[in-house]
Amino acid sequence: SQQGEEDPQALSIQEGENATMNCSYKTSINNLQWYRQNSGRGLVHLILIRSNEREKHSGRLRVTLDTSKKSSSLLITASRAADTASYFCATESGNTPLVFGKGTRLSVIA
Amino acid sequence: DTAVSQTPKYLVTQMGNDKSIKCEQNLGHDTMYWYKQDSKKFLKIMFSYNNKELIINETVPNRFSPKSPDKAHLNLHINSLELGDSAVYFCASSQEVDRRQETQYFGPGTRLLVL
Repeated sequence: SQQGEEDPQALSIQEGENATMNCSYKTSINNLQWYRQNSGRGLVHLILIRSNEREKHSGRLRVTLDTSKKSSSLLITASRAADTASYFCATESGNTPLVFGKGTRLSVIA
Repeated sequence: DTAVSQTPKYLVTQMGNDKSIKCEQNLGHDTMYWYKQDSKKFLKIMFSYNNKELIINETVPNRFSPKSPDKAHLNLHINSLELGDSAVYFCASSQEVDRRQETQYFGPGTRLLVL
């Protein structure tokens, strides 16, 4: 069954703007991960946030986690054309493989 | 020094044929996976192998059979291919830590087209 649901499904922004993507999930988790998939490529891990963490940074990426609302957000600051990709959240709930959402397709226009 | 590799990258075949996709990881991980990504980009897990044992087998047709000759390899064999099998198949691996799966590393994908 689907766990993570990303929102929006598609997002188009100008280069230099910030991009925010959201992920909602249904059950308790151990960690939540964000992945990027460039067109025609495999998924690449971006960042992992554990259930006892509220915010995490990695370069231009900022991830927040609100376990009370069962939601997470991925913020990409000062976006670049190279950030154009699909972004997936995935939840880890113990003894089961990661469950991926349907992804947000981000287009950054130069 | 590729972490997770898959072959072939592209596979075009006729309905009814049998085909295999190979996957190898050199990360020393103990768990490997096969995913199917459909045309809508929905990523669905098919199989998970931990220490050569199948631990999760989602409701995929028994025409699909994973085979793991050793910890570093997880191959996917598909019998009697059907049109609906056309998709991109991804192999991935991860390390179990305290019975939790951490970061998954994905292969580049195999694009299967059944005619």
